[in-house]
Amino acid sequence: EDQVTQSPEALRLQEGESSSLNCSYTVSGLRGLFWYRQDPGKGPEFLFTLYSAGEEKEKERLKATLTKKESFLHITAPKPEDSATYLCAVQAAGGYNKLIFGAGTRLAVHP
Amino acid sequence: DAMVIQNPRYQVTQFGKPVTLSCSQTLNHNVMYWYQQKSSQAPKLLFHYYDKDFNNEADTPDNFQSRRPNTSFCFLDIRSPGLGDAAMYLCATSRDVSATGTGYTFGSGTRLTVV
Repeated sequence: EDQVTQSPEALRLQEGESSSLNCSYTVSGLRGLFWYRQDPGKGPEFLFTLYSAGEEKEKERLKATLTKKESFLHITAPKPEDSATYLCAVQAAGGYNKLIFGAGTRLAVHP
Repeated sequence: DAMVIQNPRYQVTQFGKPVTLSCSQTLNHNVMYWYQQKSSQAPKLLFHYYDKDFNNEADTPDNFQSRRPNTSFCFLDIRSPGLGDAAMYLCATSRDVSATGTGYTFGSGTRLTVV
């Protein structure tokens, strides 16, 4: 069964304190791995898509990496406005390619 | 701006009273999805439409139905809401079922409360 597990569930950082969020997955053939940001009471907002092991994508203070079993979202020198829930989702190859989400990591960055 | 719009943002309904949530899109995407997201949980796919073809997830309760009268609109009907149906309901779209590139585009969601 395709599955996505994110850790930690919640993370509290001081402004400027870099860290990483983890997304472990099991899927029968990976078509793509997606990272989304979700603010309270809002829908997920697309951040990155990764397709193959070794791939990296960057956007401002965020960098996403991918291996055959997991993905990391690295946050460098975070600011309070980076506070949100970060969701990881995978899309399996073959058949109907729905997105399977993890439960997310709730990130709080304090000044 | 092209977008996905959900109405209402907040919906309060009585236990057992039918309720309809609305989603519209200006992206002209072929596929529309409905997800249920409970507090601190992963979004769970309920069903999707590829054009006019309806696809139900195997574990979606019969209490949940959907309609897509045209490309732009999709509705989620909950026939007899129970307390366990209180959740955020997310509508999403994609150009096709492969969802490569940017994946899905989500609306802001409807927060459903059942009293």
